[in-house]
Amino acid sequence: NAGVTQTPKFRILKIGQSMTLQCTQDMNHNYMYWYRQDPGMGLKLIYYSVGAGITDKGEVPNGYNVSRSTTEDFPLRLELAAPSQTSVYFCASSYGFGQDYYEQYFGPGTRLTVT
Amino acid sequence: DQQVKQNSPSLSVQEGRISILNCDYTNSMFDYFLWYKKYPAEGPTFLISISSIKDKNEDGRFTVFLNKSAKHLSLHIVPSQPGDSAVYFCAANSMEYGNKLVFGAGTILRVKS
Repeated sequence: NAGVTQTPKFRILKIGQSMTLQCTQDMNHNYMYWYRQDPGMGLKLIYYSVGAGITDKGEVPNGYNVSRSTTEDFPLRLELAAPSQTSVYFCASSYGFGQDYYEQYFGPGTRLTVT
Repeated sequence: DQQVKQNSPSLSVQEGRISILNCDYTNSMFDYFLWYKKYPAEGPTFLISISSIKDKNEDGRFTVFLNKSAKHLSLHIVPSQPGDSAVYFCAANSMEYGNKLVFGAGTILRVKS
C-alpha cells in the first residue's frame, strides 16, 4: 500500500492564481481530511469528508474548496491564491467513526508559497 | 482559543535519558488523546494514544500518562535515542467532534548523542 499520496510536493503561485492539490489514499478509508500547518502552529483543519459525495468545513475553510467524487481521491482547490495561504498542506485519512478509528494517516505534505 | 496546548516549543535531552513532553487541554469533553511524531519534509505519523478511561498506556519505549483532573497528558520516551529527534504533536478528540482531531502546536525534541 502506498498509503496517502499528495502531489505536488512543492509549488510557487502568484497572487490571484488558482491550483488544485491532489490527494489519494489506497486504504479504502471513509474519512479524509485537509490540514494546513503554519510555522510554530499546529495543524488546522480546512475541510473534511466522511465519504464520497459528502464534505464539510473545518476550522479554516475560507479560500478553499473540495470535492469527493470517489473514496480514494480528495482534491483541495485554491481559488485566487493569497499570501496568507502560504503554508504546508497535509492530507489525511482514517477508517471510520469511533475511538478505534481516530488514528489518521497523513500524506507527506505539499509546501505552497504564494508571492 | 487553543483547546490543546503544548507550552514547550522545544526540548533537548541527552541520549539514553528520559524525554517528557507535556500537553494540556481545556475541553473536558475530550475523551481520546493521540501523539504524533513528525520528521522534516514528512507527514505526521501516529505514535501512541490513550482513552480517557485509562490513565496510562505503554508501547515499548513510549508511555503516555493522562491526568483528567488536571486536564494534562504527557509522553515519556525512555531511553531517548537520536532517531527520536522530531516534532511531537498532541491531539485530542471527542464524540462531539466526530472524527476530527484538535492538534497542539507541537514540541521539537532534540536528542543529543
